[in-house]
Amino acid sequence: SQTIHQWPATLVQPVGSPLSLECTVEGTSNPNLYWYRQAAGRGLQLLFYSVGIGQISSEVPQNLSASRPQDRQFILSSKKLLLSDSGFYLCAWEAGQGRNEKLFFGSGTQLSVL
Amino acid sequence: EDKVVQSPLSLVVHEGDTVTLNCSYEVTNFRSLLWYKQEKKAPTFLFMLTSSGIEKKSGRLSSILDKKELFSILNITATQTGDSAVYLCAVAFTSGTYKYIFGTGTRLKVLA
Repeated sequence: SQTIHQWPATLVQPVGSPLSLECTVEGTSNPNLYWYRQAAGRGLQLLFYSVGIGQISSEVPQNLSASRPQDRQFILSSKKLLLSDSGFYLCAWEAGQGRNEKLFFGSGTQLSVL
Repeated sequence: EDKVVQSPLSLVVHEGDTVTLNCSYEVTNFRSLLWYKQEKKAPTFLFMLTSSGIEKKSGRLSSILDKKELFSILNITATQTGDSAVYLCAVAFTSGTYKYIFGTGTRLKVLA
């Protein structure tokens, strides 16, 4: 069966520090991968999605970036965090290749930028 | 602009009540509509709807989609305190690749 791992669960970082959040999927190949952010009391905002290794599409201009160095690994990064980067970050995957599947979520990272 | 709108934003009911949550959408190249329950961390999947008028049911929860009027409802009967959560509606559509956009959610609180 497929599983998705996301870490760390919580993170407190000072403004201006770098960020690296990692997500890995097991039990499937060539998944579509997504990063979402959820501000307090808000819905999920799509940040990045990827349909394959090295293929990243950005939805919202910001100081975050994403990379997919391996088929089942998705990384969210920043060189210098801003206060506005605080939020709950969720990695998600779906089976790719045109199949009409659903989105499965990792357990999320609560990021506080102080 | 593609969007998903949920209502109400929040709801407080007593155990045993029946609730109806609403989701309307405007997207191009619609694929499916999904409902998720989010308690504390990761949203968990409830239903995926692709065809109009066909009710999906799981225990006390049920959902239906109207592709002509572009909305869906999620019903919860005989609510329990364990139903307290944020319920998210998402729409999957094709725009170059497959994307999902989410509504802001409905926060449901069930009082004992």
